[in-house]
Amino acid sequence: EAGVAQSPRYKIIEKRQSVAFWCNPISGHATLYWYQQILGQGPKLLIQFQNNGVVDDSQLPKDRFSAERLKGVDSTLKIQPAKLEDSAVYLCASSWGQGGETQYFGPGTRLLVL
Amino acid sequence: QQPVQSPQAVILREGEDAVINCSSSKALYSVHWYRQKHGEAPVFLMILLKGGEQKGHEKISASFNEKKQQSSLYLTASQLSYSGTYFCGTGGDDKIIFGKGTRLHILP
Repeated sequence: EAGVAQSPRYKIIEKRQSVAFWCNPISGHATLYWYQQILGQGPKLLIQFQNNGVVDDSQLPKDRFSAERLKGVDSTLKIQPAKLEDSAVYLCASSWGQGGETQYFGPGTRLLVL
Repeated sequence: QQPVQSPQAVILREGEDAVINCSSSKALYSVHWYRQKHGEAPVFLMILLKGGEQKGHEKISASFNEKKQQSSLYLTASQLSYSGTYFCGTGGDDKIIFGKGTRLHILP
């Protein structure tokens, strides 16, 4: 069974630029999550989708971050414009049903904002 | 509310035992344990559902005391491969909130 795929793996941009990350969850998984993990911290949930609807985006900085999950499969997370404090690893995870179940993580995208 | 993990870091020699604790100020439905190696994604270890159960696989086990709103992860006779950061995640019925992690380093 293929795992969660993410791209790119690494990205370096300058502040005020925009960046987009892509995630392909495990086939059949209804719920998809985007997490931000700052060095030395645990993953922080940014947004959770069930199929193509948003379940929770309470911690998503909506003035600069946006995410979509078209057709309930792949998802993209965008930052525009990026700030220095956005430097982090962005993890995508998926699970079978609604949230609270076992989540399977992708390899993450390491973002460095200069 | 983010769960609190303790200790923040542990250094052990191979073969020694370790206990990592996770506590929450909110009622828990479930506790999830993950291990993350440096530069890699978190990997699922186990999930415990309310009921005070204990789960285990070989030398890694965990307990969940829903009354005390805490869980403990037990690593017995640690191996070099156990090194990494361990996260607990406390679950409601719709999402998991992760703690800050416990860094475990095993020395040969």
